[in-house]
Amino acid sequence: DADVTQTPRNRITKTGKRIMLECSQTKGHDRMYWYRQDPGLGLRLIYYSFDVKDINKGEISDGYSVSRQAQAKFSLSLESAIPNQTALYFCATSDPGTGYGYTFGSGTRLTVV
Amino acid sequence: QKEVEQNSGPLSVPEGAIASLNCTYSDRVSQSFFWYRQYSGKSPELIMSIYSNGDKEDGRFTAQLNKASQYVSLLIRDSQPSDSATYLCAALRAGGTSYGKLTFGQGTILTVHP
Repeated sequence: DADVTQTPRNRITKTGKRIMLECSQTKGHDRMYWYRQDPGLGLRLIYYSFDVKDINKGEISDGYSVSRQAQAKFSLSLESAIPNQTALYFCATSDPGTGYGYTFGSGTRLTVV
Repeated sequence: QKEVEQNSGPLSVPEGAIASLNCTYSDRVSQSFFWYRQYSGKSPELIMSIYSNGDKEDGRFTAQLNKASQYVSLLIRDSQPSDSATYLCAALRAGGTSYGKLTFGQGTILTVHP
């Protein structure tokens, strides 16, 4: 099994629908992140969590919310999806013991129509 | 000014040549830097990290850091078609409440042609 697992891998949803993207990890890392990737814009941080009780907004949090259900699980929700949220979404984990380099999940390709 | 900037390319090199990828950063408190490789539609994969001024070599890859110039580079020797990918540069802030977050550049597309 992958160290960082994202579900679903692909999703098509309609404008206005609520959708949840899930991330789970087996690395035992406290730190988890959600990024979105758009062509030409690189990876942009949506939310991050340094432990179960610590959740912080990133640079583009509007329209998104998160839940850290346990050390291993960090979910991203789109409350009311809109077409410009169509993107590739990545979950990542990091650990001070390994120099803070991220381990990424395989990504969720989300299309909002 | 973006915190981490890369030339988006595309950079095209012949097989066997040296590919040179460059990155500049604006935040002087950044202390650690990472290079990720990302194949189309796949997740980024960490290939190099560098924390100190100078060069760090790992196989065909060499990372170079110059903190005075706020410049990071990645050299790929003996480039292979399988090196064709997008390369992402990332910087880690040294302190404050955001310590541990990486800031990414927009990526450089590298194409190695036979």
